[in-house]
Amino acid sequence: DAGVIQSPRHEVTEMGQEVTLRCKPISGHDYLFWYRQTMMRGLELLIYFNNNVPIDDSGMPEDRFSAKMPNASFSTLKIQPSEPRDSAVYFCASSFTLVETQYFGPGTRLLVL
Amino acid sequence: KNQVEQSPQSLIILEGKNCTLQCNYTVSPFSNLRWYKQDTGRGPVSLTIMTFSENTKSNGRYTATLDADTKQSSLHITASQLSDSASYICVVSLFGNEKLTFGTGTRLTIIP
Repeated sequence: DAGVIQSPRHEVTEMGQEVTLRCKPISGHDYLFWYRQTMMRGLELLIYFNNNVPIDDSGMPEDRFSAKMPNASFSTLKIQPSEPRDSAVYFCASSFTLVETQYFGPGTRLLVL
Repeated sequence: KNQVEQSPQSLIILEGKNCTLQCNYTVSPFSNLRWYKQDTGRGPVSLTIMTFSENTKSNGRYTATLDADTKQSSLHITASQLSDSASYICVVSLFGNEKLTFGTGTRLTIIP
């Protein structure tokens, strides 16, 4: 398996624009996680899905953020409108169960100007 | 409030030396504790996962220990190599909903 795949790897956009981040989890994994990492706050869990259903979105910062998982092999994290404080590295991870090892993707480095 | 604190924030050691990283947590009730290694510009990679009943677990030159009574964990790296230069993140999950609390990490630099 190629591991967790994320795209794009880098995104530079202007404030107010819509940003869509994409993730393909490892095949067979029932759990998918979206994280955000910044120097100030470290790694934060935004939302996770089980069998394509959002289970816990308490980490989503505000209504500008939304995540979907239309099928077992694809998820998106959307920011609309984007703001400079959204600049961070966004990671997607997947796992078989909630207590087993999570496998992280390479991340999307987002810069909002 | 559930917290995970790691020390030191950063550490520089010579190649070949051993080192120990610390993690103290207040998460309760506790389910499991994980150590991740994160190379610069890459996603975290799991090193170990320990439940409350385990007090030591090894992965090659990495050995994690856990004292659930004192809520402390350590990650010991033996015979360090240049490739060990990375950030090491301690993560603790809450029993029941498995909600994760992340430490801010220790930045380890190995110099030749």
